[in-house]
Amino acid sequence: KNEVEQSPQNLTAQEGEFITINCSYSVGISALHWLQQHPGGGIVSLFMLSSGKKKHGRLIATINIQEKHSSLHITASHPRDSAVYICAAGGGADGLTFGKGTHLIIQP
Amino acid sequence: EAQVTQNPRYLITVTGKKLTVTCSQNMNHEYMSWYRQDPGLGLRQIYYSMNVEVTDKGDVPEGYKVSRKEKRNFPLILESPSPNQTSLYFCASSWWRSNEQFFGPGTRLTVL
Repeated sequence: KNEVEQSPQNLTAQEGEFITINCSYSVGISALHWLQQHPGGGIVSLFMLSSGKKKHGRLIATINIQEKHSSLHITASHPRDSAVYICAAGGGADGLTFGKGTHLIIQP
Repeated sequence: EAQVTQNPRYLITVTGKKLTVTCSQNMNHEYMSWYRQDPGLGLRQIYYSMNVEVTDKGDVPEGYKVSRKEKRNFPLILESPSPNQTSLYFCASSWWRSNEQFFGPGTRLTVL
């Protein structure tokens, strides 16, 4: 079974800072997901990627298949980016294995 | 609007009183799943379904039942709830197990 580790667990930064959240997994996968969960509970899918890099607005996700590692970057961070960010690794017929999440707080 | 709905959103109940949390999706997705989320443990899969009448256990199925009689609905049943089932529950759907998941709004369950 895949093991998914995220770092850091908690991150507090100032508005405008460049943010990086890391995710490592133990078993080869077909797709890596990044999810966002705001206070109040709702979960939204940000990215699904199997290679390279994807960008959506100020968010960038990258994956290195050989190193079994993915990163989520936030440029020009804003207080509304404060949320829990969760990575999940999925491999074909297997379901998703979730990391425990990174609690991000962006202070004005 | 494409969405996954869950009801109820909040529920406080007592030990042993059977309850059902409903989940419905309008995207014609094949795959549906139930997760529970607990502090420090993250999201864990309870049950999943790859199609109508096809269900299987996830990582933490004990104490739960599911059914998939129609493609759009996937109810979660707790026949005899216990306090250790107090948790935040999410239903999700997607085209396939590893595809982008669409999550419901969550159901916060407290079992006294």
